[in-house]
Amino acid sequence: GAGVSQSPSNKVTEKGKDVELRCDPISGHTALYWYRQSLGQGLEFLIYFQGNSAPDKSGLPSDRFSAERTGGSVSTLTIQRTQQEDSAVYLCASSPTLSGNTIYFGEGSWLTVV
Amino acid sequence: DQQVKQNSPSLSVQEGRISILNCDYTNSMFDYFLWYKKYPAEGPTFLISISSIKDKNEDGRFTVFLNKSAKHLSLHIVPSQPGDSAVYFCAARLGKAGTALIFGKGTTLSVSS
Repeated sequence: GAGVSQSPSNKVTEKGKDVELRCDPISGHTALYWYRQSLGQGLEFLIYFQGNSAPDKSGLPSDRFSAERTGGSVSTLTIQRTQQEDSAVYLCASSPTLSGNTIYFGEGSWLTVV
Repeated sequence: DQQVKQNSPSLSVQEGRISILNCDYTNSMFDYFLWYKKYPAEGPTFLISISSIKDKNEDGRFTVFLNKSAKHLSLHIVPSQPGDSAVYFCAARLGKAGTALIFGKGTTLSVSS
């Protein structure tokens, strides 16, 4: 596609449930990033992928968070046993290469945990 | 500890005037700086960037200034327009491959007509 595509755009889930957020990067972009923005906060880096590999997972807030990327394209961010503090906008971005200076964001997935 | 700081959460400016958004950083290893703009319910979009080897970069109404000795950069918008009203994020990249951009908390700019 022309831009980074994320789904769902909005998700309301009950506390304790698992959620999956999907990101489809710009075609041909090898690097993919996940960020989140909680209310009143900046963009918090979660994880990045180069191809299907995630060399640094230290940004993930807890072991309830995991992410994978298959075929060097689509990525899924999974949050298990969601908590209210997980409520945020989850933003995916991609860039042509890992050393690229500019990353391109999707519109985000708004997650609300009730 | 925040490595990229935007100390002003908001800024209000009249149309036609200059908007100056500020950003401070702590890590001298940052080699590239970017500004992103975000409208409500949209993802951030790239606005302008500057390499650490430069002190100024200009693109139309937008100019970014970098003061490495002070670890400070600023974004100037001249003249400001109501459509510039958005949240502006400062971001920095460490000087090595395999690192993601580190963002500040953002400054909300309101331009009144």
